[in-house]
Amino acid sequence: GENVEQHPSTLSVQEGDSAVIKCTYSDSASNYFPWYKQELGKRPQLIIDIRSNVGEKKDQRIAVTLNKTAKHFSLHITETQPEDSAVYFCAAIGNNDMRFGAGTRLTVKP
Amino acid sequence: NAGVTQTPKFQVLKTGQSMTLQCAQDMNHEYMSWYRQDPGMGLRLIHYSVGAGITDQGEVPNGYNVSRSTTEDFPLRLLSAAPSQTSVYFCASSYRTDGEKLFFGSGTQLSVL
Repeated sequence: GENVEQHPSTLSVQEGDSAVIKCTYSDSASNYFPWYKQELGKRPQLIIDIRSNVGEKKDQRIAVTLNKTAKHFSLHITETQPEDSAVYFCAAIGNNDMRFGAGTRLTVKP
Repeated sequence: NAGVTQTPKFQVLKTGQSMTLQCAQDMNHEYMSWYRQDPGMGLRLIHYSVGAGITDQGEVPNGYNVSRSTTEDFPLRLLSAAPSQTSVYFCASSYRTDGEKLFFGSGTQLSVL
């Protein structure tokens, strides 16, 4: 089955700086890679996703890049704001086999 | 639309007790699923359904049963609760049948003593 590793487990940045979270996956059949944001005590919410036929996708301050050859994908947040503080989860899906990374706790210091 | 509704929000069980976590969605989504969230382990898929009458196992199905008699409801049953099932449980649904673009419920905090 699929195995997803996520790094780092915690990340602290100053407001205005960029943040990068990386994930690797093992199953070459995986073809969809979402990122979910979970604020403290809240439900996870989809913030961006990418399919295996696309190398990069951007939505305002958030971008995701995918390297299929190396089996890794990354979340990039630019101009971070305190409200970006949350736990971020990556996931990989293929053939209805869905696996999540362990999460990254991002703290943005004002 | 209420979205995905989970009940209860909190539950404490004794070892060996049974209970059902309820999940309902009003978005006419075919795909519904259950996850457990444990510290340091992210979300793990327990069971999922791609439509009424169809269910399948996820990564960690042991100790849990599900059924999907209607499009709206997808209850999760713990037949004999164990302390290892202490966790936060999330239900999610999607208009896609492959688990993409999930909408999550607000979660159920379950403690098994």
